[in-house]
Amino acid sequence: DIQMTQSPSSLSASLGDRVTITCQASQDISNYLNWYQQKPGKAPKLLIYGASNLETGVPSRFRGSGSGTDFTFTISSLQPEDIATYYCQQYHNLPHTFGQGTKLEIK
Amino acid sequence: QVQLQESGPGLVKPSETLSLTCTVSGGSITASFWTWIRQPAGKTPEWLGRVYSSGTIEHNPSLKSRVTMSVDMSKNQFSLNLKSVTAADTAVYYCAKDLFARSGAYWGQGILVTVSS
Repeated sequence: DIQMTQSPSSLSASLGDRVTITCQASQDISNYLNWYQQKPGKAPKLLIYGASNLETGVPSRFRGSGSGTDFTFTISSLQPEDIATYYCQQYHNLPHTFGQGTKLEIK
Repeated sequence: QVQLQESGPGLVKPSETLSLTCTVSGGSITASFWTWIRQPAGKTPEWLGRVYSSGTIEHNPSLKSRVTMSVDMSKNQFSLNLKSVTAADTAVYYCAKDLFARSGAYWGQGILVTVSS
């Protein structure tokens, strides 16, 4: 299985801050990477697909980049509604696998 | 807009079979993969497997031979059976269209299944 290593596991930031999360794959996955946002009691919501493509309706403050084994997810200016847990997920190989998540909190 | 809804028992006894159904609305179940994912409380999601509309199944090897999936095109539904469950199978179970690129946008709301006697 491809292991997805996300960091940090938790993050405290102030409103308006730029927030960055990284995800590293255990082998080359090209750009076969999704980023999700999950709020308590809800299903994960797709934000970014293909490593850098913004899903329809997702605010432009969310951005993804990277290819191969190293990926970055950025929120340019943290808003109150962005408080959630974020996951990366590879779909290059089966089984599809997720990172362990980054819990984002307000400082 | 495709929508998915899980249904099934919320409580299953140890050693029995967990059976869930996902009803797809707003689109046809044909010519697509359909996926099951689970998430224990406070943990990361786990991909369980996917079934193509033709019935072809690809499952997570970690589940060994405990998992089966099927499709009922007449009802626009697909199903999950997980046999010989233990407490470790307690989780929120989600159905989804697929986790490949933009197909990852379509998830059910999830159903909590507890394994307990």
